[in-house]
Amino acid sequence: AQKVTQAQTEISVVEKEDVTLDCVYETRDTTYYLFWYKQPPSGELVFLIRRNSFDEQNEISGRYSWNFQKSTSSFNFTITASQVVDSAVYFCALTLYSSASKIIFGSGTRLSIRP
Amino acid sequence: DTGVSQDPRHKITKRGQNVTFRCDPISEHNRLYWYRQTLGQGPEFLTYFQNEAQLEKSRLLSDRFSAERPKGSFSTLEIQRTEQGDSAMYLCASSPAEREIYEQYFGPGTRLTVT
Repeated sequence: AQKVTQAQTEISVVEKEDVTLDCVYETRDTTYYLFWYKQPPSGELVFLIRRNSFDEQNEISGRYSWNFQKSTSSFNFTITASQVVDSAVYFCALTLYSSASKIIFGSGTRLSIRP
Repeated sequence: DTGVSQDPRHKITKRGQNVTFRCDPISEHNRLYWYRQTLGQGPEFLTYFQNEAQLEKSRLLSDRFSAERPKGSFSTLEIQRTEQGDSAMYLCASSPAEREIYEQYFGPGTRLTVT
């Protein structure tokens, strides 16, 4: 069975600090996609990134960066120089190549950025 | 280019009543998904359609739940004889059936409160 674990329930940091959100996944499949979604207070899930299991190259997009390590089954997300607008719940998620039907989400990490 | 829309955004109902939610996917998206999100948890997959065919249903989808997508465009999710445990956010998502099938675009959700 597939599972995504986000052990950090809540994180609170002061603006401009760097923050890393942890994600550990479980699957026996060798081909899969990993995702990060952001859910602001408005409730709509916003897609941030998708990574396939064959591409372990880290990615940077502005203040966001992602570290994918298959050896530890982790897909961590770092926000550099955090801003108040980054406050949201962040979900890590997994879907299998063999099943393009459902995304399996972690329980989320609530990130609060204090001014 | 409009995103996924859901109606209503909020619904309060008394236990035992029936409710129906509507989802309008991004136009030309063949796949449509329903998820349920309870407080403090990530979304959980309920069901998905490719065009008008319902191809997968989760065990979470009890006999009181039924989903339809009659013309392969909008979809409805009906809950009969609602129970307090049905209180949740119901999210709809859509994706194209070709290259980007693994990228699901989510709507704002319908928040259901059963009193």
